[in-house]
Amino acid sequence: AQKVTQAQTEISVVEKEDVTLDCVYETRDTTYYLFWYKQPPSGELVFLIRRNSFDEQNEISGRYSWNFQKSTSSFNFTITASQVVDSAVYFCALREETSGSRLTFGEGTQLTVNP
Amino acid sequence: AAGVIQSPRHLIKEKRETATLKCYPIPRHDTVYWYQQGPGQDPQFLISFYEKMQSDKGSIPDRFSAQQFSDYHSELNMSSLELGDSALYFCASSLEAWTKEGYTFGSGTRLTVV
Repeated sequence: AQKVTQAQTEISVVEKEDVTLDCVYETRDTTYYLFWYKQPPSGELVFLIRRNSFDEQNEISGRYSWNFQKSTSSFNFTITASQVVDSAVYFCALREETSGSRLTFGEGTQLTVNP
Repeated sequence: AAGVIQSPRHLIKEKRETATLKCYPIPRHDTVYWYQQGPGQDPQFLISFYEKMQSDKGSIPDRFSAQQFSDYHSELNMSSLELGDSALYFCASSLEAWTKEGYTFGSGTRLTVV
């Protein structure tokens, strides 16, 4: 069975603070894919990143960075110098190679960035 | 660039009515997925189609059915609607060959059952 856990239900920070969103996953597959999506109040799901299980290289994209650690089954997401526009629900998701093409989402983390 | 188009954006139905949601995938994409997101919940996988054939099935109620047509667009048909069906319904598309593009989600259809 596959499972994605986002233990932080809500996080509130002040603008310009750094914030890390945690994601822990469970899978028996050796090949799998991890994703992060942003869902702003308008409701759409915005793709942020995809990571393959065989590529543990961390990635940075502007103010966003991702730390993938297979040893702890974690794929954490850090926003540096947060902005009010970062306020949204963030979902971590998993796709297993052996379970078709479906995504299993975590329960999401509501991030609120206050001015 | 073309995105996944879902229609309608909003839909209000009464209990026991039927609803049809439509999804137009990105051109070239051969796989379509449907997800249901209840209020305050994470998206849950319903069903997917590859080359017009059902490829995977998740927690889709028997009252719901879906299909993919020859032009690759997909429709989700929902009958005997219940209050609990009120949700945001997402369609996503991808290439089965699984390129770097991965999934692309539509903007969703917000269904409200009253």
